[in-house]
Amino acid sequence: KQEVTQIPAALSVPEGENLVLNCSFTDSAIYNLQWFRQDPGKGLTSLLLIQSSQREQTSGRLNASLDKSSGRSTLYIAASQPGDSATYLCAASSGNQFYFGTGTSLTVIP
Amino acid sequence: DTAVSQTPKYLVTQMGNDKSIKCEQNLGHDTMYWYKQDSKKFLKIMFSYNNKELIINETVPNRFSPKSPDKAHLNLHINSLELGDSAVYFCASSQRQGIGELFFGEGSRLTVL
Repeated sequence: KQEVTQIPAALSVPEGENLVLNCSFTDSAIYNLQWFRQDPGKGLTSLLLIQSSQREQTSGRLNASLDKSSGRSTLYIAASQPGDSATYLCAASSGNQFYFGTGTSLTVIP
Repeated sequence: DTAVSQTPKYLVTQMGNDKSIKCEQNLGHDTMYWYKQDSKKFLKIMFSYNNKELIINETVPNRFSPKSPDKAHLNLHINSLELGDSAVYFCASSQRQGIGELFFGEGSRLTVL
């Protein structure tokens, strides 16, 4: 069974710093890897989707990479802003469902 | 125009009551899901339906009964509510079972008193 882990569980950085969030999965047979953002009391907003044949995807200040062989994905956030404060979750698509990590709670300090 | 919408957003009810949450998607997706998010924010799959057919039925008490009248709708009915049922319930959809981009509703926060 697929297991997804996100480290660290919480991260606090000063505004303007570049940062990396990590996502690890145990079974490399995935269809795709998706990153989400969740604000307190809100639903999950899709940030980036990486297909299994792709190595990375970019959207604005966000860049997500995927290394299936090592079972890792990273989400890079450039020039962080206080508005980036949220919980970030990754989900690996394998078998017939999506497996979620436990999330990284990010706080960007002004 | 909301892609995945679920109602109600908030439910507060007494133990032993029955409640329903409704979900609709206008993306033309084949597959819909119910997830439960606990106080630690972990998302746990409960059910999935593909074209009205039940595909995933995780270890969920049989007090929880999903129903999919058509592939655009997936409702969740909960009987005899217990304190431990308090959580946020999310509906989601994807083009195919377990594949593609997953889209979420805003969530329904259930509080059982």
